[in-house]
Amino acid sequence: AQSVSQHNHHVILSEAASLELGCNYSYGGTVNLFWYVQYPGQHLQLLLKYFSGDPLVKGIKGFEAEFIKSKFSFNLRKPSVQWSDTAEYFCAVNGNTGGFKTIFGAGTRLFVKA
Amino acid sequence: EAGVTQFPSHSVIEKGQTVTLRCDPISGHDNLYWYRRVMGKEIKFLLHFVKESKQDESGMPNNRFLAERTGGTYSTLKVQPAELEDSGVYFCASSQDLVTEAFFGQGTRLTVV
Repeated sequence: AQSVSQHNHHVILSEAASLELGCNYSYGGTVNLFWYVQYPGQHLQLLLKYFSGDPLVKGIKGFEAEFIKSKFSFNLRKPSVQWSDTAEYFCAVNGNTGGFKTIFGAGTRLFVKA
Repeated sequence: EAGVTQFPSHSVIEKGQTVTLRCDPISGHDNLYWYRRVMGKEIKFLLHFVKESKQDESGMPNNRFLAERTGGTYSTLKVQPAELEDSGVYFCASSQDLVTEAFFGQGTRLTVV
């Protein structure tokens, strides 16, 4: 079955700490991978995406993610978080075998202490 | 350019009542998706329209849920009659084609009491 697993439901960090949010997926065939973010009171918005090419993807606000095909992983990283990064982060996958409907993980709530 | 808009932003209804949620996708986006997030759980796919046709409705929970997309523009999702377990946030998203990312609306928070 197609699924996305996010390792942490809640993460609390101090400003300037490094961030890594784990994401593993189960999906046959060619995949597209995404990280979405939802800031308090705002829409879900795309942070970054991987379709093909360089497995290290850079997104907005200093975030990056690395696609490791052998591990079925797409972990999100940021070297130094800010208070404004407090939000909920969703890993997601779609692809041709699922008719391109997007499968989401359960989300990780990040709280950054000022 | 206007984004995906959803109405209402919040709805509180009693069990057994009917509620209709509306989604206006980004103009020109043929693909429209409905998702639902029950408290603390993952965002789950409900269905996918390509223009006015239902491409995939495998995620619809049961026949109390009816989605339409008249003329391939806006879409409605009707729940009739609503049950307590239907409470959650209903998201709509649209995309230009299948392989690009989807843009999401702000969601409708539905509470059934």
